[in-house]
Amino acid sequence: IAGITQAPTSQILAAGRRMTLRCTQDMRHNAMYWYRQDLGLGLRLIHYSNTAGTTGKGEVPDGYSVSRANTDDFPLTLASAVPSQTSVYFCASSDSRGLGTGELFFGEGSRLTVL
Amino acid sequence: GQNIDQPTEMTATEGAIVQINCTYQTSGFNGLFWYQQHAGEAPTFLSYNVLDGLEEKGRFSSFLSRSKGYSYLLLKELQMKDSASYLCATMDSNYQLIWGAGTKLIIKP
Repeated sequence: IAGITQAPTSQILAAGRRMTLRCTQDMRHNAMYWYRQDLGLGLRLIHYSNTAGTTGKGEVPDGYSVSRANTDDFPLTLASAVPSQTSVYFCASSDSRGLGTGELFFGEGSRLTVL
Repeated sequence: GQNIDQPTEMTATEGAIVQINCTYQTSGFNGLFWYQQHAGEAPTFLSYNVLDGLEEKGRFSSFLSRSKGYSYLLLKELQMKDSASYLCATMDSNYQLIWGAGTKLIIKP
């Protein structure tokens, strides 16, 4: 693995079902993020984690939960999917939050369709 | 409130120069980023400006004026592979990135 890996890359899901999007990074970055990207809108932050064991809410956290049990993994869970959660989801990481350039490294994205 | 504006779409010719503008209003300022995103792919980092002025990196340059809340990305010697969306983002006082909706750049032969 090199960088950030997301799974699945694409998923069609019935409304009301539970879904977990997986994200793993091998860069030992402290900070990790989940964004959603919708047509005509900028990337919107769902949840973030500054370091293992801590998480925080972003701009659009409702309906989503995250955990950060270790440095490498940052799964995003939709407890009961709704059609408005149809989107492309990007996981990202950075080696600092607020220090240096704060450059984000993104996974390839997970395209989720909720019917 | 916090807001970032950039044009939705621009068209340019291969070999030419194009300037993509970005204006912003954020709570505090800790830098401005430009990312490139090809269709169906992840965004990739292009540049970071925290001080006023021009930063040059090969064919790409990024400019910042903090007093005007303004930045631009300048692409020279355009190539077909430069067809992509260009995302402007600022880092606010909480070190959170605020993203613009992106500018889709279409390069014509």
